Formats: sequence, C-alpha cells, structure tokens
Amino acid sequence: SQTIHQWPATLVQPVGSPLSLECTVEGTSNPNLYWYRQAAGRGLQLLFYSVGIGQISSEVPQNLSASRPQDRQFILSSKKLLLSDSGFYLCAWSVGGPGGELFFGEGSRLTVL
Amino acid sequence: AQTVTQSQPEMSVQEAETVTLSCTYDTSENNYYLFWYKQPPSRQMILVIRQEAYKQQNATENRFSVNFQKAAKSFSLKISDSQLGDTAMYFCAFMNSQMGGATNKLIFGTGTLLAVQP
Repeated sequence: SQTIHQWPATLVQPVGSPLSLECTVEGTSNPNLYWYRQAAGRGLQLLFYSVGIGQISSEVPQNLSASRPQDRQFILSSKKLLLSDSGFYLCAWSVGGPGGELFFGEGSRLTVL
Repeated sequence: AQTVTQSQPEMSVQEAETVTLSCTYDTSENNYYLFWYKQPPSRQMILVIRQEAYKQQNATENRFSVNFQKAAKSFSLKISDSQLGDTAMYFCAFMNSQMGGATNKLIFGTGTLLAVQP
C-alpha cells in the first residue's frame, strides 16, 4: 500500500535561518507531488506541484522553493525564513490522470520567531 | 480563476442528528471534480467523498452524501447519524479536469469546523 511521510512534524526556527522540509512517498511510481500551506481561516493554499523529477511549478510568489531530486521525494526549502513563513505545511501526492484523489501527509508545523 | 467558498466557519450538531455543510464554487469550466476532505484534530486529512461534474447523480459514501447543484455551483455535504468521530475540519475542494498531463491541483475553501456534541 502507498504511504506518505513528512518530517519534521514540528519546527521552531529563528528569522533568517534556512528551512528544509522533506516528504517521501512509498508504494507508487511517478506520482504528482504537492506542497500546501494551511493558515487559520484561509484554507489550504497550493505552493508548489511537481509532475516529475526536476519539474517544479510554483503557484504563488514567495520566499520558499521546492525541489524533487528523486521520483518520490519532494523538498520544501528556504534560504532565509521570514515571520510570515510560519504555518502548517502539508505534502500530498496523487496518481496522474484527471480527477485523481490527493493523499496527504501528517503535516509540518513551522513557527518562525 | 476558480474559487471555493465555505460560508460556515463553525457548526455544531448533536450526536445521531443530521448536519449539512455548505460549499459554493465559481468556475467557467464544464468538466471538473469536487471533493470533501476531512481533517480530524491532529490527524491526517482524508477524502470523504468525490463528485464528477458530468455525473448528475449525487455521490454517497455510507453516512455521507452530497447535494450537487451544477447550475447553482453548489456542493453541500450532508452527514447523517452524526458520530463523535465526525468532529473535524471539513474542506470543500475543486479540481479542474485536464485531459492529458493532468496536474490534479486542488483549490480549497477555508473550511468548516464541525463539532459533534454528545
């Protein structure tokens, strides 16, 4: 069966420090991968998605970047965190083809102080 | 651009009663998919129910059913016989249909926090 792992679960970082959140999927090949950010009262906002290794699409201009070095690995990064980067980050995957369900990880809560 | 609106930030229902969560969306597309996702406290988000826009029949999954009104762009979720385990944040979401190379991007509403009271 397919599983998705996301870590770390909780992270407290000072402003200006770097960030790396990792997500891996097991049990499937060539998944679509997504990074969402969840803010209170604002639902989930799609940050990045990837349909293959090295293929990254950004949905919103921001202080973050994403990379997909391997088929089932998706990394969210920042060189210098801002206070506004605080939030709950969710990784998700889906199979290709229209209408496919997204499967979500357990999330990473980032607090920037 | 597509948008999804959930006008009920919080709702409460007694155990065993029925509750309906509202969702409206805006799109110029004719083919698309609609979803309800559930996010229990401190737990993973999971799919509750999925509707394909070209199907007129409303989707059902056990105690969960939808009222899909395509012309009105409305997609409400009905939970029958509410259980304590239904307490969660519920998100309505929209996905455009793209033939070939589908990215399956989901656009979410702001969520409705449902509390089931004993």
